[in-house]
Amino acid sequence: EAQVTQNPRYLITVTGKKLTVTCSQNMNHEYMSWYRQDPGLGLRQIYYSMNVEVTDKGDVPEGYKVSRKEKRNFPLILESPSPNQTSLYFCASSFGRLGVGNEQFFGPGTRLTVL
Amino acid sequence: AQSVSQHNHHVILSEAASLELGCNYSYGGTVNLFWYVQYPGQHLQLLLKYFSGDPLVKGIKGFEAEFIKSKFSFNLRKPSVQWSDTAEYFCAVGSGNTGKLIFGQGTTLQVKP
Repeated sequence: EAQVTQNPRYLITVTGKKLTVTCSQNMNHEYMSWYRQDPGLGLRQIYYSMNVEVTDKGDVPEGYKVSRKEKRNFPLILESPSPNQTSLYFCASSFGRLGVGNEQFFGPGTRLTVL
Repeated sequence: AQSVSQHNHHVILSEAASLELGCNYSYGGTVNLFWYVQYPGQHLQLLLKYFSGDPLVKGIKGFEAEFIKSKFSFNLRKPSVQWSDTAEYFCAVGSGNTGKLIFGQGTTLQVKP
């Protein structure tokens, strides 16, 4: 089944404790992206990757890191999480650039709470 | 800077009522427009998209949207809503050949049976 998977689905952690949220897709998509969803703010793009070893900042990259060492995986790293990073996080992938109308497929989401 | 604005934050309708959700964007170049839906507890799914061609696009579940370039708008419509349409709806704009996608704040639709 074609899908985007994220792990963990739920995570409660404390301020400053490094964490990684994994994202994997099995559709051989070139493009992958991370979003956070907050009430009243919709989804905001954190980072995106157009291909392996190519990553770019979205609108809210502060406090996050990503890497794209292989095509299928795009982990989101919080080196020193803070309470304002409490949010619902979505990973997404698409076959190619969004600018040519490619649809993004979303993962199920990771609900992160930073105490 | 690019932005997407959804005018209605919370809409309550009775079943069989008609729906129109507004979406306006600010960007001067070529855009690609999307509407996504998020049912309670689920991830986002694509309803429809505009890439080029006919500005009236039809999506899944009876939804349609019209791209009006002169108004920078991409409003979502459905002639007759059902209780199962209760969800949050997001308009999104992708620009040119970049990987950036800007979402609106979302509109929560509640359909009363």
